[in-house]
Amino acid sequence: EPEVTQTPSHQVTQMGQEVILRCVPISNHLYFYWYRQILGQKVEFLVSFYNNEISEKSEIFDDQFSVERPDGSNFTLKIRSTKLEDSAMYFCASSDPYPTGKDYGYTFGSGTRLTVV
Amino acid sequence: GDSVTQMEGPVTLSEEAFLTINCTYTATGYPSLFWYVQYPGEGLQLLLKATKADDKGSNKGFEATYRKETTSFHLEKGSVQVSDSAVYFCALSVEAGYSTLTFGKGTMLLVSP
Repeated sequence: EPEVTQTPSHQVTQMGQEVILRCVPISNHLYFYWYRQILGQKVEFLVSFYNNEISEKSEIFDDQFSVERPDGSNFTLKIRSTKLEDSAMYFCASSDPYPTGKDYGYTFGSGTRLTVV
Repeated sequence: GDSVTQMEGPVTLSEEAFLTINCTYTATGYPSLFWYVQYPGEGLQLLLKATKADDKGSNKGFEATYRKETTSFHLEKGSVQVSDSAVYFCALSVEAGYSTLTFGKGTMLLVSP
């Protein structure tokens, strides 16, 4: 079964450092997303990406964040200068614009746990 | 804005007990409703969905019915197993296939033998 792959599974970084979280979406999907989950809180939408540009973003997705699809397979989330409150689980997802079947075409990765110290 | 409220956890049950996890929503228009499950160390997996009022989604013995009149989508299972221990998220989207998802806070289910 196709899956969304995220690396690394866990990253520890010092406050103020830049981090890049990586994702490989499902190959025939056209929409890509980042969500995050702060420990004990709800999963929150950050940004969606389609046709090489941001299609929607939340209030959380400020100037410290950026996304990129540097090649035909990877989708990255960059945090320019990490803060303690950026510590969270970050989920990548991709979706099929013509969903069929049980999965609805919307598939999540296993997440990257980012710890800012 | 759109929002999802689900019951606080953890929910602790013995094997073969009946499970209900409550979920209510607020949304404009006619959203699609979902239950996702997250097993320890894994990603979010779609458990079931319903796209219109009175639809019942079902999978792996779990069921949920889209109730427009009460804006609810409660998750039920008649007999839980230890392997059902996970975190369950209720979610909604207002567009099909390429929409952002709005999640509830998640409910942890712990099933003991």
